[in-house]
Order: sequence, then C-alpha cells, then structure tokens
Amino acid sequence: AQSVTQLGSHVSVSEGALVLLRCNYSSSVPPYLFWYVQYPNQGLQLLLKYTSAATLVKGINGFEAEFKKSETSFHLTKPSAHMSDAAEYFCAVSAFGNEKLTFGTGTRLTIIP
Amino acid sequence: DSGVTQTPKHLITATGQRVTLRCSPRSGDLSVYWYQQSLDQGLQFLIQYYNGEERAKGNILERFSAQQFPDLHSELNLSSLELGDSALYFCASSVGGGSSYEQYFGPGTRLTVT
Repeated sequence: AQSVTQLGSHVSVSEGALVLLRCNYSSSVPPYLFWYVQYPNQGLQLLLKYTSAATLVKGINGFEAEFKKSETSFHLTKPSAHMSDAAEYFCAVSAFGNEKLTFGTGTRLTIIP
Repeated sequence: DSGVTQTPKHLITATGQRVTLRCSPRSGDLSVYWYQQSLDQGLQFLIQYYNGEERAKGNILERFSAQQFPDLHSELNLSSLELGDSALYFCASSVGGGSSYEQYFGPGTRLTVT
C-alpha cells in the first residue's frame, strides 16, 4: 500500500520568496509521485511527475521537485512566488500494479503581497 | 482545459434519491478514474475502468456503481443518497492503464444532498 503525508496544511510566503511544500511518501514498491494544483472551484491540474527517470523533475509554472529515496521525500519548490500561485497543492503516489492515485491532505498556499 | 468533461457541473438533490454523473475522457484515453473530494475524507479513489472493463476498486460504497461504455465515456451512479454523500466528484482519464501515466482531471461535479 502507498501513502503520502503533506506537512503543513497551510503555508504562507511573501511574493518573490521561495516556495517549499513538503511531501513524504510510503511505498513498499518503487513509487510514482505526482504534484497537482487545485485553484478554487476548479479541477486538479498536473504540475509534475516522477517516474524513476531523473530525480529532479521540472514542471509547469516554474515548479520543480526532487525525489530523495533516502528521505522518502518529494518536496515541491519554486524559487520566486507569484500571486497567481495561490492555490491548494496535492502530492499523490501510485505504484506499479496499483494505478490509483493516493493523495495527501493538501497544502493551501497563500501569497502575501 | 484538461480535455476531460463532466456533466452536470452542479447537482442538488434530496436524501434517498438517485443521480447519475457523466464523464467524457480525453480523446484517445482508455482509462477512466472516479474520485470523491470531501472536507472530512479528502480526495479518495472510488473506481477505475480501462477500455470498458472494471480495473480497480477503492472505497466505493455499495450504493454507488459505475460503468464505461463502448465510446469510452463513463457514468457514476449514486443511489439512496445520504447527506454525507455531498462532495465534489472528479473524473480523470489517462492514455493507458499503467501507474506511470499521468491522470488528467475534469472540472468535477459538485453534489449537494439536502
């Protein structure tokens, strides 16, 4: 079985500051990891995914995430926050033979002008 | 726009009733997934279909059922509705049935049971 834990249900950063959203996973088999973003009253949009190729994954809108097996982490970062980044972010995991996505509880990102 | 469409956008109904939620996957996608998003349970996987066949089942209640038709659209049927079924229901699609394929989500159907 797979699971993810997102540390911090709410994160606030100033515009232009570094964004760091934390995700730790648990999986008995090599995982596939995803970050999704949800804007108010919208569906989920894929930001990036890790599928065992490069450990540093670049996504859309300037976001990237690094897979660290030793730390079982897949944290999401963006060097400089923009007001348009305000949204809820979900980390999710799947694995070979288990295609469903198991989501974390989400982190609401607020950008302070 | 992900290319996944869901209808209706909003649904308000009474307890005990039955509703049908519809999903059209992206062109060419064979897999359809249904998820439920609620404040207390978060985002939970319900069921997956691949090319018309049920592929995986999650925390789906017996009162809920789904199917995928030959044209690959899918319907989620919810019956004997309870207040606790109020939630956002998402459909997602992927090109194949493997775990590494990204899932593209529709805009969701917001169900309110009164």
